[in-house]
Amino acid sequence: DTAVSQTPKYLVTQMGNDKSIKCEQNLGHDTMYWYKQDSKKFLKIMFSYNNKELIINETVPNRFSPKSPDKAHLNLHINSLELGDSAVYFCASSQGLIQETQYFGPGTRLLVL
Amino acid sequence: SQQGEEDPQALSIQEGENATMNCSYKTSINNLQWYRQNSGRGLVHLILIRSNEREKHSGRLRVTLDTSKKSSSLLITASRAADTASYFCATDRSKLTFGKGITLSVRP
Repeated sequence: DTAVSQTPKYLVTQMGNDKSIKCEQNLGHDTMYWYKQDSKKFLKIMFSYNNKELIINETVPNRFSPKSPDKAHLNLHINSLELGDSAVYFCASSQGLIQETQYFGPGTRLLVL
Repeated sequence: SQQGEEDPQALSIQEGENATMNCSYKTSINNLQWYRQNSGRGLVHLILIRSNEREKHSGRLRVTLDTSKKSSSLLITASRAADTASYFCATDRSKLTFGKGITLSVRP
């Protein structure tokens, strides 16, 4: 019944590793997003996909690569993890484009050691 | 640059009191939204107010928007301990931009 789900919920890993976070929404929405929330709770958009097409690609290191196999899924792959990547990553979705209400997942807490 | 900025950064009130939180932004917008985030959880949408609206109500929530001053306020009436959370305003241009949030503590 969860509207927007993310896995894993917690991710602890060593610097230099590659990891993926998965996101799925069962709301039938067309647009999905990835946000990063830092330790000061500042929430910043990273990517957005509309019907599997990339529409927002913020200034994010190219170690971060989103993939949308279908409009219900948006995964985030991170290569060569760095200490500064430690944060909470939120997936979200909306029916239309950016201006619509967004529905957030529970977050993935990433800690890079 | 960050679009929405909330004020105050932290607010502590007694249960039953009203809580007023403010948000200022810099450029013109289509809509302004308020979200709540409970500790360790994702954001939950509270209310969306369009640029041609001045006030909107939802239950114990009242949101105002003053586009001439580029500001919005969120009023929670008759606060409850369960209202303890961080509150964010978000404004839209090409993307939804969130402020840093206000931490509201409601003491029982």
